[in-house]
Amino acid sequence: DTGVSQDPRHKITKRGQNVTFRCDPISEHNRLYWYRQTLGQGPEFLTYFQNEAQLEKSRLLSDRFSAERPKGSFSTLEIQRTEQGDSAMYLCASSPTPGQHNEKLFFGSGTQLSVL
Amino acid sequence: EDQVTQSPEALRLQEGESSSLNCSYTVSGLRGLFWYRQDPGKGPEFLFTLYSAGEEKEKERLKATLTKKESFLHITAPKPEDSATYLCAVQTNYGGATNKLIFGTGTLLAVQP
Repeated sequence: DTGVSQDPRHKITKRGQNVTFRCDPISEHNRLYWYRQTLGQGPEFLTYFQNEAQLEKSRLLSDRFSAERPKGSFSTLEIQRTEQGDSAMYLCASSPTPGQHNEKLFFGSGTQLSVL
Repeated sequence: EDQVTQSPEALRLQEGESSSLNCSYTVSGLRGLFWYRQDPGKGPEFLFTLYSAGEEKEKERLKATLTKKESFLHITAPKPEDSATYLCAVQTNYGGATNKLIFGTGTLLAVQP
């Protein structure tokens, strides 16, 4: 399977703990995105990378959140000092370089985070 | 502020009963409108991209259309396996060449046999 892979699928943690999620994009895609989705809502943009450069971050992304994409391959999203409001599905997506009608995002299955 | 509104929030159909889902949008400049399908516990799955008013795309029982203010997803003779949440999203022209999507809240479709 050459789709977007996310790990773990589920994470339960206690409030105040740090958590880290991993995303492996489709290999030839140089753009990688993180979204967050809560129940009954559409995905909400968090941040995106072109290769290893983080080019945009949402204003909603607090200082407790940090994302990296070393060497422009896989990416990690870390949440420090988790809060109950961080409970959500964290989705990763990738896309090729924008071109003529070539801009769709491919999503992984997500990591479901529950903060107790 | 860019905004995407989907209606209805939920729709229950009998198998074979055709209907339409609506996505209205307010953006400074539309670069593309996307339809995704999402099954429970999974990420969104791409269905269609529309770029200009008057454009239409079809795939099996689904047909997407676009005007300057809204898009419709028409479902013809649906089957139970079409049950899912259908998400609409837009890409805008400003902010650089990002592929960032702005999503609506989705329409939860249930097709009963």
